[in-house]
Amino acid sequence: NAGVTQTPKFQVLKTGQSMTLQCAQDMNHNSMYWYRQDPGMGLRLIYYSASEGTTDKGEVPNGYNVSRLNKREFSLRLESAAPSQTSVYFCASIAPGGGYNEQFFGPGTRLTVL
Amino acid sequence: AQSVTQLGSHVSVSEGALVLLRCNYSSSVPPYLFWYVQYPNQGLQLLLKYTSAATLVKGINGFEAEFKKSETSFHLTKPSAHMSDAAEYFCAVSEWTGNQFYFGTGTSLTVIP
Repeated sequence: NAGVTQTPKFQVLKTGQSMTLQCAQDMNHNSMYWYRQDPGMGLRLIYYSASEGTTDKGEVPNGYNVSRLNKREFSLRLESAAPSQTSVYFCASIAPGGGYNEQFFGPGTRLTVL
Repeated sequence: AQSVTQLGSHVSVSEGALVLLRCNYSSSVPPYLFWYVQYPNQGLQLLLKYTSAATLVKGINGFEAEFKKSETSFHLTKPSAHMSDAAEYFCAVSEWTGNQFYFGTGTSLTVIP
């Protein structure tokens, strides 16, 4: 049982390049989330998916797209990276029951955009 | 939308001293409340959560938190700090029916030997 896995762990991009961050969970969770973590700002929600086939915007969705490929996988795409997207990105999932349950987090992807 | 305030972005305590990390939330309805810990270069791990049962919640590693509705607070405490407690701590809230979680800006705990 690996929990929540993320790839890659580190990435350096040039401004304007695109990339996809991958996330997978093996806990049969319905809901999955993408956050970014910046110093002094805590975690901010980018997108979430309450169930397979649905996605919703969070607090800071601009510049990102997501795909809920299946129940296990939830990817985050940067179409044209900007230096403001330099951050640590975390994927999380939650068991059915919604806000009652805690989120399980992946180890993060550290992205630098030059 | 909910909001979470963590007073003090950096807290330093001596080893063996009391740890107190503060969290206040804004909600007219008591939400679900969580404390997470993040060690360097790792993801977040759950320390404890409040889900409307006992107001004093005990978590892992000797931490506990008390839900006080009148003060809209959920402060985290540990009687005696250990060097291994040095980490970033996040308070989070979620709503009874929603799928969204709202995080505070975090408190970095330093333990001085």
